[in-house]
Amino acid sequence: DARVTQTPRHKVTEMGQEVTMRCQPILGHNTVFWYRQTMMQGLELLAYFRNRAPLDDSGMPKDRFSAEMPDATLATLKIQPSEPRDSAVYFCASGPGKGIGNQPQHFGDGTRLSIL
Amino acid sequence: QKEVEQNSGPLSVPEGAIASLNCTYSDRGSQSFFWYRQYSGKSPELIMFIYSNGDKEDGRFTAQLNKASQYVSLLIRDSQPSDSATYLCAVPWTGGYNKLIFGAGTRLAVHP
Repeated sequence: DARVTQTPRHKVTEMGQEVTMRCQPILGHNTVFWYRQTMMQGLELLAYFRNRAPLDDSGMPKDRFSAEMPDATLATLKIQPSEPRDSAVYFCASGPGKGIGNQPQHFGDGTRLSIL
Repeated sequence: QKEVEQNSGPLSVPEGAIASLNCTYSDRGSQSFFWYRQYSGKSPELIMFIYSNGDKEDGRFTAQLNKASQYVSLLIRDSQPSDSATYLCAVPWTGGYNKLIFGAGTRLAVHP
């Protein structure tokens, strides 16, 4: 069963530390999405890529967040410096990129991030 | 007006009843619609999709689409306590690239 793989599953760190989250999309998928989910805000789209190129990162706080795809099998989301308000679950999702939105996204298990 | 709207709930139904979850969308150009289920502490999981007006059935789940009225619904027959979860409606962004616009989700509670 093809799956989106995210690491780490859990991360606890102190304010000010750098946090890196990784995502391996489903093989053959060429669109990758990063979401943040909190009880208050629900599911928020942070950034997304197509064929490794960033299409939109307007959902991310630019001063501390960055997202990249070094290659087709790895997407990263970094927070530097981290703040307590960044505590949330971060999901990566990938899609096949075919057609005009007729294909769904598939989600990874998420990274549960706690900033103390 | 939000692009995709759902009642946040909780929607409480007794075991064995039909649960009806509704979603309205604003973009008349939307062509396909997805329902995701998210258990507490887990990731969203795709359970149904529908492209055409009318009903689509898959086991105990039925998705209903009415493009003229711009709503899509999910019916769960013979609801079970294991169906208790948050159900997210998602509509593709008409600009493509698999980008989805998610509703805030409806929390369903099925009680024995």
